[in-house]
Amino acid sequence: DSGVTQTPKHLITATGQRVTLRCSPRSGDLSVYWYQQSLDQGLQFLIQYYNGEERAKGNILERFSAQQFPDLHSELNLSSLELGDSALYFCASSVTGTSYEQYFGPGTRLTVT
Amino acid sequence: EDQVTQSPEALRLQEGESSSLNCSYTVSGLRGLFWYRQDPGKGPEFLFTLYSAGEEKEKERLKATLTKKESFLHITAPKPEDSATYLCAVQAGGGSYIPTFGRGTSLIVHP
Repeated sequence: DSGVTQTPKHLITATGQRVTLRCSPRSGDLSVYWYQQSLDQGLQFLIQYYNGEERAKGNILERFSAQQFPDLHSELNLSSLELGDSALYFCASSVTGTSYEQYFGPGTRLTVT
Repeated sequence: EDQVTQSPEALRLQEGESSSLNCSYTVSGLRGLFWYRQDPGKGPEFLFTLYSAGEEKEKERLKATLTKKESFLHITAPKPEDSATYLCAVQAGGGSYIPTFGRGTSLIVHP
C-alpha cells in the first residue's frame, strides 16, 4: 500500500459525459501527478500540482482539467468523454515538486461506452 | 524530445534463471532515471532512482545500473513473485520535471 488513495476504483460512463476522479496523496506529500495509461500509449504524464499550484503540464487534452485543493487532495475532471478516453488513470504523489520518487495510487479504470 | 526505449518487450524466464532488462534513453541532460515495478491492474511501485553514470543500486534480487546511454535492471535467481511489468522513466535537466516513461518489459518467471 503506497498511502495514495484514489476513488472511484471503476467508472463506466457514456460518450459525451463528464466525470471527476479524486486523489488523496500520502501524508506529508505536497505534489500530485496525474497519468493516463492505455494499452497503446503506455504511461502518459498529464499534469502536476505542487502545494496547490500547477507545476507542469504534459499531454493533457483541453477537455481535461485538474486542481489541487488546500487540503492537498486533487481532482481530475474529464469532460465530453470519447471512447478513446477509456484507460487507467493514476495519481501519484511525492514529497517535493522534483518527482525523484513518486508513489502511485491504485488507479481508476474508466470505461467510456 | 526525450525518448525511452525498453527491451525486450516481454521476457519469460525459468525460476533461478538470471537475466537483464534494458532501458535506453535519449535526454538533454539527465536529472534522474527511475525504475518501477507494476503488477497487472495496479499502480507502479517505485524501485530505484539513479542519478549518474556508474551508479548502482540493489534491492533483494534486483540490481540497477546506469551508463550515459542506458540502464540495466539485473534480476538474479528470479522467483515467480518477480513476475510483473518493469517500467523505466527519465527526467531531464532544466526547468521541467516532467518524467518520460518507457513502454515497459513484461517479465514472467515460471516455477
